[in-house]
Amino acid sequence: AQRVTQPEKLLSVFKGAPVELKCNYSYSGSPELFWYVQYSRQRLQLLLRHISRESIKGFTADLNKGETSFHLKKPFAQEEDSAMYYCALKTGSSNTGKLIFGQGTTLQVKP
Amino acid sequence: AAGVIQSPRHLIKEKRETATLKCYPIPRHDTVYWYQQGPGQDPQFLISFYEKMQSDKGSIPDRFSAQQFSDYHSELNMSSLELGDSALYFCASSLGGWSLDEQFFGPGTRLTVL
Repeated sequence: AQRVTQPEKLLSVFKGAPVELKCNYSYSGSPELFWYVQYSRQRLQLLLRHISRESIKGFTADLNKGETSFHLKKPFAQEEDSAMYYCALKTGSSNTGKLIFGQGTTLQVKP
Repeated sequence: AAGVIQSPRHLIKEKRETATLKCYPIPRHDTVYWYQQGPGQDPQFLISFYEKMQSDKGSIPDRFSAQQFSDYHSELNMSSLELGDSALYFCASSLGGWSLDEQFFGPGTRLTVL
């Protein structure tokens, strides 16, 4: 079965603390994984995709096929990182694949 | 830069009524996706279109239908509305012919069924 699991509904940290938002997936094919972020009153927007192997706003995520994980990390959280984060798995055809989302994790960065 | 446009942004309907949600993709995008997000839930894929043809279908009820028009905009038609249809409906668009396509999301239409 195709599934994405984000075990934490809420993650609350202090500014400057490290952050790790967990994501595990279940997929029989070759996974294509994304992190989407939704800031307050804004639309969902792409933060990271595993295939790019880039760092955006200080966030990184490494695909670990052995552990079927794609955790999102940032060494020093900032208040402006407070948002809802969704891990998503792309399935279907390579050009028009649908996204399967995890349940989302709300990151709250306290001053 | 132009983004995905959805209309209306809010819609209130009674049970058993019909609703039509519209999505205008980013210019030159040829692929449209519809997702439904119930209260406290993750977005669930409903249906997608590529070059005006249905490309994939998810957990879309038979009461719902959708299509993509020649200008690539899409409409989601919902009939015999039920209380459980109350949700945020997202539309996303991408350039389907490009394998590294990113899905760009609209702001969503919040449907409330009373």
